[in-house]
Amino acid sequence: AQTVTQSQPEMSVQEAETVTLSCTYDTSESDHYLFWYKQPPSRQMILVIRQEAYKQQNATENRFSVNFQKAAKSFSLKISDSQLGDAAMYFCAYRRKGNMLTFGGGTRLMVKP
Amino acid sequence: DADVTQTPRNRITKTGKRIMLECSQTKGHDRMYWYRQDPGLGLRLIYYSFDVKDINKGEISDGYSVSRQAQAKFSLSLESAIPNQTALYFCATSYGTSGTYNEQFFGPGTRLTVL
Repeated sequence: AQTVTQSQPEMSVQEAETVTLSCTYDTSESDHYLFWYKQPPSRQMILVIRQEAYKQQNATENRFSVNFQKAAKSFSLKISDSQLGDAAMYFCAYRRKGNMLTFGGGTRLMVKP
Repeated sequence: DADVTQTPRNRITKTGKRIMLECSQTKGHDRMYWYRQDPGLGLRLIYYSFDVKDINKGEISDGYSVSRQAQAKFSLSLESAIPNQTALYFCATSYGTSGTYNEQFFGPGTRLTVL
């Protein structure tokens, strides 16, 4: 069975600084997708970034980037130039066959002005 | 208008009551999913449906049932609600083309409290 672990229940960062959220996963599938979702207080699940396991290059979306280490089964999210609007719960997720998602427990990110 | 809608948005009920949560989508997706979110556990899959006649149990289906009334509608029922079913419930939808990436789109969530 696939598992996804986020070891940091809470993180804080100063506005304009950089923060990295950790995620590890366990799977026997060689081909898979990994995702980071953001959940602001509105409860809406927002896809931040995705990574295809077969791609060597780390995904980047504006201020968000990932450090994907396939052998180590690690998928961390780096947020650069943090903004107050980045404060939210962040979930790492793994896509299983059949397009089902397995989520980590989440990391609450606080941004200090 | 939202592509994936859930009703109700919030619900308080009592132990033993039957509850139905509804999900509708206008995205034309064939696959629909129900998840529940609990603090520290993330989202866990309850049921999923690949089309109207194909419904499958997820990780935590005990105490729940579903109905896919049409391609666009997928309902989740709690036959006899209990307090540990207090959670945030999400519906999601996606296309089902095998071998390709199919993003899941989430509804706004239903906050259910069972007293």
